[in-house]
Amino acid sequence: RKEVEQDPGPFNVPEGATVAFNCTYSNSASQSFFWYRQDCRKEPKLLMSVYSSGNEDGRFTAQLNRASQYISLLIRDSKLSDSATYLCVVNVGPSMRFGAGTRLTVKP
Amino acid sequence: EAGVVQSPRYKIIEKKQPVAFWCNPISGHNTLYWYLQNLGQGPELLIRYENEEAVDDSQLPKDRFSAERLKGVDSTLKIQPAELGDSAVYLCASGGAGTDTQYFGPGTRLTVL
Repeated sequence: RKEVEQDPGPFNVPEGATVAFNCTYSNSASQSFFWYRQDCRKEPKLLMSVYSSGNEDGRFTAQLNRASQYISLLIRDSKLSDSATYLCVVNVGPSMRFGAGTRLTVKP
Repeated sequence: EAGVVQSPRYKIIEKKQPVAFWCNPISGHNTLYWYLQNLGQGPELLIRYENEEAVDDSQLPKDRFSAERLKGVDSTLKIQPAELGDSAVYLCASGGAGTDTQYFGPGTRLTVL
């Protein structure tokens, strides 16, 4: 089992849609969780951290389920500019492990 | 505030040649990471430094890859000799003390012919 696994995608959604991504992790001792966004041929950029209580930033909501060892990202009212690859990141010991990413395309 | 700086941005070499990448982290960031990213995949950690100490190099192919961060600031990643399969984007990231948040540089796109 991979340390971090994400929905394979791609997700193609219309503008205004709500879309959700899941990410599972294998190490029950993991404590740090993040979602990064990566545009085509660009570097990853932090989208949001994921806290135990869940957190929201505008149209984006991240949640953590420790019992089932997964994190999720919900995007409401999708915009064309949300088109990107979303990377799930989880710590394994002192270092971070990235998922393979889920590609999202928002269409007019 | 300046971000993470990497050079060169692009490099094309023939197989068996050596290559080196340079990274200057955000000022004050103690932690520095080197990642390799293949097309369609997430970044894979090669090495993590805390100041000048390599605290995780378990994923670094030590037969051909080496890295250094002598003064705990900028860092160099070297491949010698390069192989065709080394073609990828090499990303450098840095982070502040006590946090796992990482800030990435633009990467170096390596093509090995």
